[in-house]
Amino acid sequence: AQKVTQAQTEISVVEKEDVTLDCVYETRDTTYYLFWYKQPPSGELVFLIRRNSFDEQNEISGRYSWNFQKSTSSFNFTITASQVVDSAVYFCALRLMGANSKLTFGKGITLSVRP
Amino acid sequence: SQTIHQWPATLVQPVGSPLSLECTVEGTSNPNLYWYRQAAGRGLQLLFYSVGIGQISSEVPQNLSASRPQDRQFILSSKKLLLSDSGFYLCAWSRTENTEAFFGQGTRLTVV
Repeated sequence: AQKVTQAQTEISVVEKEDVTLDCVYETRDTTYYLFWYKQPPSGELVFLIRRNSFDEQNEISGRYSWNFQKSTSSFNFTITASQVVDSAVYFCALRLMGANSKLTFGKGITLSVRP
Repeated sequence: SQTIHQWPATLVQPVGSPLSLECTVEGTSNPNLYWYRQAAGRGLQLLFYSVGIGQISSEVPQNLSASRPQDRQFILSSKKLLLSDSGFYLCAWSRTENTEAFFGQGTRLTVV
């Protein structure tokens, strides 16, 4: 069975600080996808990124960056120079490759960015 | 571009009443469709998923059912709501089972 652990439940930072959201996953499969989603106060989950298990390259998109390390089964998300609009709940998720696979979500991290 | 519509946005229903939440996807064909519930405390639980018309898989035994009468329509139903059915319900779609899912805006259901 798959499992995603987001050990941090709530993080509060001051605007312009950098913040890293941790994600650790468990699976016996060697082929899988990892995802991050953002849930702003409006409730809709917004897709941020997908990585597959074959590609450990880190990715940067503007102020967002992701660090995928298979050796530690981690897929951490860093927001650089945080802004108030980054305040949301962030979910990490795992899906195995193959038919009938399902998204397994972590419990989410509530990020509050104070002005 | 693809869009997903989910309604209503909020709903207050008495215990024992029926439920029907609707979700439609536009701009794509033969999507995989999902219903999730997010109870207080944030965790997302997969309730149902469908890979085609009339094909529904249930993840957890519960008081709810799902149907897919058309390719891009997914309905969540209950004959008699329980207090424990309260929560935030999210519909989602994906192109295949191996790609990211895109979520609707959710329905906040309160059973009183």
